[in-house]
Amino acid sequence: NAGVMQNPRHLVRRRGQEARLRCSPMKGHSHVYWYRQLPEEGLKFMVYLQKENIIDESGMPKERFSAEFPKEGPSILRIQQVVRGDSAAYFCASSLGQDSYEQYFGPGTRLTVT
Amino acid sequence: DAKTTQPPSMDCAEGRAANLPCNHSTISGNEYVYWYRQIHSQGPQYIIHGLKNNETNEMASLIITEDRKSSTLILPHATLRDTAVYYCIVRVARNYGQNFVFGPGTRLSVLP
Repeated sequence: NAGVMQNPRHLVRRRGQEARLRCSPMKGHSHVYWYRQLPEEGLKFMVYLQKENIIDESGMPKERFSAEFPKEGPSILRIQQVVRGDSAAYFCASSLGQDSYEQYFGPGTRLTVT
Repeated sequence: DAKTTQPPSMDCAEGRAANLPCNHSTISGNEYVYWYRQIHSQGPQYIIHGLKNNETNEMASLIITEDRKSSTLILPHATLRDTAVYYCIVRVARNYGQNFVFGPGTRLSVLP
C-alpha cells in the first residue's frame, strides 16, 4: 500500500511566480491536511480538506494561498505570487477518518523562492 | 487547546531504553495523546497514540498517568536510527476535523 505521495519534492520559483504543490493521499483516505515547516521551526497546520470540501482553513494565510481536493486527482496547494518568506517545507498528511485516526505524512515539498 | 511541554533535547545510549516525557496538564477528557517523530527533515512519522490506557505497538510504548496530565513515550531498545525530533501532541478537535498542533518537540540523540 503506497504511502502519501507528494510532488514535486523540490520546487524553485522566482518571486512573483506561482507554486503548485500536489498531494496524493494513501489509498482509501479521504481526509487531507497541509502543514508548513519553516527552517528550524515546527510544523504549522494550514488547511484540512475532504473530497471537494474545505473543512478547516484556519491556518492558511488570507492572501495568495489556496487549496483544493477535487473529486478526482490529487489535492493541490497553490501559492500565487510567491515571496521569499514562502520558502519552506510543505507537508501533506492523510487520514482514514476524522475521529481518533492518526495522520500519515508524505515526504514533503521543499519550496525555495529566489 | 491543550498544550504540551517537552524537554528540548535528550541523549540516550544505543541499546538502552529511551524515555521521553511530555506534560499536558490542561488536557480535556476526550483528547488523545499522539506521538510523532521527524527524522532529519523527512515527513513526520506516526508512532503511537492513546486516550487513557497504556498502549504498545511494534515501535514503542505509551504510558499515560492516571490523571492524564503527563505521558511517557518509551523506545525499549534505542538504535542510531531513532535519532530524531519527537513530538507529543494533544489532538484538538475543531469543527468536523482534527488539527494537530506541533510544538518544538524533543530532539533525541542516540549515541553509540
